Amino acid sequence: DAGVTQSPTHLIKTRGQQVTLRCSPKSGHDTVSWYQQALGQGPQFIFQYYEEEERQRGNFPDRFSGHQFPNYSSELNVNALLLGDSALYLCASSLAGGGLNSPLHFGNGTRLTVT
Amino acid sequence: DAKTTQPTSMDCAEGRAANLPCNHSTISGNEYVYWYRQIHSQGPQYIIHGLKNNETNEMASLIITEDRKSSTLILPHATLRDTAVYYCIVRAREGGANSKLTFGKGITLSVRP
Repeated sequence: DAGVTQSPTHLIKTRGQQVTLRCSPKSGHDTVSWYQQALGQGPQFIFQYYEEEERQRGNFPDRFSGHQFPNYSSELNVNALLLGDSALYLCASSLAGGGLNSPLHFGNGTRLTVT
Repeated sequence: DAKTTQPTSMDCAEGRAANLPCNHSTISGNEYVYWYRQIHSQGPQYIIHGLKNNETNEMASLIITEDRKSSTLILPHATLRDTAVYYCIVRAREGGANSKLTFGKGITLSVRP
């Protein structure tokens, strides 16, 4: 049973560029959430997708956008990269029908470095 | 903001039980307590969750006080591989069914040989 998979594992970009990160949810899951984790901090919620729509959003600018596909996989896009966007980007999946009783399962993340 | 408070760090000896405390005095009746851990450079790993009853699985036990204002995660026989940051999270309902997780700073558990 495949868990949450993310690609790429590492990425280096230059300020001002755009980046796309990808996530495949755990088998059987239909909801995908994205988190940003700066060095030494806990993960911070970016947004959540269910039924191909953004359902919740954290305190992140519009430079951060996403998409969910019919197969439940998801992409995170970040435009006009800043040095401060350097972080570990985590994808988590869960099952909508389980509500609060459905744990989120995380991938191992994409390490983004902006130079 | 995180609705939980945890000590910054603790250690325990390998083979002994590790008891990790968490305070969540403002928890509401329909909010769950979740525990995750994060080993360096990996994503958070789900450990266990509960509403009001004590829970046990192959990884750990979760003891929730009767007033639900605090809980303890118990790793019965800690190993060196249990060294990690442990996050206690209160998961609240916010509009939809799949609410986000709000992480605090967590507690760093160091297991010594």
